[in-house]
Amino acid sequence: GAVVSQHPSWVICKSGTSVKIECRSLDFQATTMFWYRQFPKQSLMLMATSNEGSKATYEQGVEKDKFLINHASLTLSTLTVTSAHPEDSSFYICSARTSGPQETQYFGPGTRLLVL
Amino acid sequence: GDSVTQMEGPVTLSEEAFLTINCTYTATGYPSLFWYVQYPGEGLQLLLKATKADDKGSNKGFEATYRKETTSFHLEKGSVQVSDSAVYFCALSGGATNKLIFGTGTLLAVQP
Repeated sequence: GAVVSQHPSWVICKSGTSVKIECRSLDFQATTMFWYRQFPKQSLMLMATSNEGSKATYEQGVEKDKFLINHASLTLSTLTVTSAHPEDSSFYICSARTSGPQETQYFGPGTRLLVL
Repeated sequence: GDSVTQMEGPVTLSEEAFLTINCTYTATGYPSLFWYVQYPGEGLQLLLKATKADDKGSNKGFEATYRKETTSFHLEKGSVQVSDSAVYFCALSGGATNKLIFGTGTLLAVQP
């Protein structure tokens, strides 16, 4: 299957700082990427849909000024958590969608963020 | 709107037992159906998929058949191993929206 990578795999930061998470599709081009947040023992919550070359589409209740998304190329999307607070601590997972008649989403390994 | 319902866990089985995790869906149109697996501390991996009615997805001994008449996509495996312990998510896409809609996940714990 297709491979999606995320970097870093885990990060600890101080409250008030910003953190950038990268998501790359390694062996395919992805016009559309997605960012999810997962709380312990819960399902994935879609935060936003990232489209190459255009603005991201955010889900209801997700602050676009706090979670900045940039999809600069067909293989890279970044999520920046700005002015992070302890409540932003979570597991962030990205996915990239293949094109064509049988679109499939492939997921990255996730990034665990801990804000102190 | 589109939705996925899967059985609540945890499901606890002994090694070599038969596994069924039920999944039903509600969707407009003709969605594609997926099972994803999440091992502890990791992201999701696509386990199998089916894109049209009566298709059977299979991988690593797991199977699921797209049943349009019962709107179901139950996951089965004939003989589970300890290494199958993980959370399994049923999902659909291509219904009313083009987003991937997840079920709540089912934790499978296989004991030796």
